[in-house]
Amino acid sequence: DQQVKQNSPSLSVQEGRISILNCDYTNSMFDYFLWYKKYPAEGPTFLISISSIKDKNEDGRFTVFLNKSAKHLSLHIVPSQPGDSAVYFCAASVGNNDMRFGAGTRLTVKP
Amino acid sequence: DADVTQTPRNRITKTGKRIMLECSQTKGHDRMYWYRQDPGLGLRLIYYSFDVKDINKGEISDGYSVSRQAQAKFSLSLESAIPNQTALYFCATSWTGSEQYFGPGTRLTVT
Repeated sequence: DQQVKQNSPSLSVQEGRISILNCDYTNSMFDYFLWYKKYPAEGPTFLISISSIKDKNEDGRFTVFLNKSAKHLSLHIVPSQPGDSAVYFCAASVGNNDMRFGAGTRLTVKP
Repeated sequence: DADVTQTPRNRITKTGKRIMLECSQTKGHDRMYWYRQDPGLGLRLIYYSFDVKDINKGEISDGYSVSRQAQAKFSLSLESAIPNQTALYFCATSWTGSEQYFGPGTRLTVT
């Protein structure tokens, strides 16, 4: 029972354009959402997070949007850079416990 | 030096063997976690620990056991390895449970 779903296994965008990665969840009790980035042969690294009391959080080129009614969140990267090429995982938790991850989306940014 | 280290980084073992994966951290975090990553499934939580005396089962704990030897050390054991435990294993630490810091991973193959 996958409670966090990333339905796009891969995404390819041109350098300088916007990358939009999507994530859907089924558990309405989730109150904290995160995005992690993973390069090959490394562990995931924290990118950005959002609490359920907010609908947007921004950090430099990265913005996360949360739509609670649709149980959907998205990560926007503007502008995309070749160094952003990685696998991006969406994650969600209830009260900072038992975090659930999506399957990941592989982003390729072409020069 | 890495804040979260995992040993070994790669391991091939045979069905029925006992194997231990070790994790050490220098971040001073109380919370530690073990995840496995499988293609198409993302990361799934095996066990987590909030301190030396507090161990909790995660989403997929069957076939695994853990030991929290000290605040900085958290080991994962497979008492009798089976082929479907072939996966990439990650250890993580956290101060609050939300933002987690991952080790580089251990690639385990059970033949």
